[in-house]
Amino acid sequence: DSGVTQTPKHLITATGQRVTLRCSPRSGDLSVYWYQQSLDQGLQFLIQYYNGEERAKGNILERFSAQQFPDLHSELNLSSLELGDSALYFCASSLDSYEQYFGPGTRLTVT
Amino acid sequence: ILNVEQSPQSLHVQEGDSTNFTCSFPSSNFYALHWYRWETAKSPEALFVMTLNGDEKKKGRISATLNTKEGYSYLYIKGSQPEDSATYLCALEYGNKLVFGAGTILRVKS
Repeated sequence: DSGVTQTPKHLITATGQRVTLRCSPRSGDLSVYWYQQSLDQGLQFLIQYYNGEERAKGNILERFSAQQFPDLHSELNLSSLELGDSALYFCASSLDSYEQYFGPGTRLTVT
Repeated sequence: ILNVEQSPQSLHVQEGDSTNFTCSFPSSNFYALHWYRWETAKSPEALFVMTLNGDEKKKGRISATLNTKEGYSYLYIKGSQPEDSATYLCALEYGNKLVFGAGTILRVKS
């Protein structure tokens, strides 16, 4: 158990809908990272927050947004969902820029 | 964006065999190189983080080396066990991002 929690574990929704994925980092970690793993792709970095501020952005679509709250938990919002957004979404946290601790992931299925 | 290549794609070994895989990168312009182990139905688990040319790290039967001048890192597993079966991911850290390779899938037969 990495200490990072993600909810929900599974999510099934229809195209065009909007969902919110939630992540709670390990106690004391200030950075939160979001990753996407699609069926035919490796882990893709989406976005990083550090102590409430966006720090780095990767291949994140404009339909996706994230934020980190004062209690350091983070939410990833996915809107206007398409079939291709079906993937495993991981959150990771770290204290500094060294080891990242990954949560169990949220499996999103868009039908 | 740095391209991270991992080889081989997959590897099947017998219990007790020692094995190694490679992570290659075209440039040393990164902050750190990470190795992760990702078991099926679990989340990636950090193994090592290396930053300097010549770095060597060891954890039990698993060790890793980094050669930034020639652009590669090796991960070694001594005396493979069935519980070592997993996907081993290499990632380069730069600009607060991790760029992952596709991974090497290791299967250890008992």
